[in-house]
This record gives sequence, C-alpha cells and structure tokens, in this order.
Amino acid sequence: GAGVSQTPSNKVTEKGKYVELRCDPISGHTALYWYRQSLGQGPEFLIYFQGTGAADDSGLPNDRFFAVRPEGSVSTLKIQRTERGDSAVYLCASSLGAPPETQYFGPGTRLLVL
Amino acid sequence: AQSVTQLDSQVPVFEEAPVELRCNYSSSVSVYLFWYVQYPNQGLQLLLKYLSGSTLVKGINGFEAEFNKSQTSFHLRKPSVHISDTAEYFCAVTRNTGGFKTIFGAGTRLFVKA
Repeated sequence: GAGVSQTPSNKVTEKGKYVELRCDPISGHTALYWYRQSLGQGPEFLIYFQGTGAADDSGLPNDRFFAVRPEGSVSTLKIQRTERGDSAVYLCASSLGAPPETQYFGPGTRLLVL
Repeated sequence: AQSVTQLDSQVPVFEEAPVELRCNYSSSVSVYLFWYVQYPNQGLQLLLKYLSGSTLVKGINGFEAEFNKSQTSFHLRKPSVHISDTAEYFCAVTRNTGGFKTIFGAGTRLFVKA
C-alpha cells in the first residue's frame, strides 16, 4: 500500500517568507509526528498528533512554527517569517498509535531559506 | 528528559566482517529503545525495538541488539555485513509511560567496503 508522502520534496524560500509543508499519512494511522533533521544530526521531534489534536507540541522551537491536522489525516506544518536557521529536512511519520507503535517515515521535505 | 549518544559517527568495515554500532542513553524513567536505518535516498525505517522482556532483540536484515540496563546501552550488531548494509543508523528512545516524544541520536554512518 501507499506509504507516507510529503510535498513538496524541495522548497526554496527567502528569509521572512511563509511556508507550508504537507504530510499525507498512511491510511488508518491515527498518530502523526513531525521532525526536523539538520545536516549530520538525527531527527529532532517537533510535534505529535493523536487524531486531530496535538498531544505533545513541546518540540516546536518557537511561535513561528505551527502544525494542524483538522480532519485527523493530512497534516500541514506552517512556518512564519522563515529564518536561515530553519533550513533543514522536515520529516513526517505516522503510526497506528502512540509509542511503541512503529513509526513509518516519509521521504521528507528539504527546506532551504535564502 | 532523555538523551541518546551514538559513540561512533562513522564505522568503516569490510564485507562479511562483524559490526557493532554503539548506543548509550540517559533517562530517569524506563524507556522503549529503537534502531532505525536510513538507506541512501530513502526514508527512515525501523530495524528493531526493545519494549520489555528478553534483552536480546532480533530485527530485520540479520541485525540484533542487546539491551543492557546497568550500562544504559543498546548496541546494534550484525555477524556478517553486506555491501547493501551501507546506510545511516539511528538509535532512539521514548519514555514508556505517557511518552510521545522520540529522541534520536546523531546517527552512525556504516560504510561496508568490498
């Protein structure tokens, strides 16, 4: 079956602009995660959704970052007033439920802020 | 809070040789432990996980890991590696009660040489 998909695969933007990154989870997966991976580092947790609600958003670095999942399926990560330091690969993962359920990762969106 | 340290950033090894990738974690509470693999140009996928019970866990592609509570380690091993095992390997932890956040190590790049 279809895995986790993320769009766009690459995004180049200018400092100060607004961006949206989309994640389509595996059908039927109620749990959804967003991570950020910088070069040479492991994924860094941003936010976890159970259904439509954010059960843990403690990893969002500041109030420029926001994520939604209005119907409990597709999720959008929104970044306002982008900064060069936001450049990274943004990963989405979905699972059947909370840990220790296996997380299935998408290919990521590579964001470059000029 | 939890943290993960992967002791080797790169491990070069010849084909058919054994390999061990080291992982140490820090946590004040009990955790679940995971190893993920990221093949070139692919998304992360789960190799194996430790939840409870037997400390030796077997995963996909001939990999296994041993949980050592006293040493807070979860080292990954394979008795004979193949060229196709060349990839980035990530150790990760999640607290096992009420935890949603998965903390990843910085990764170990395994390079298998012919």
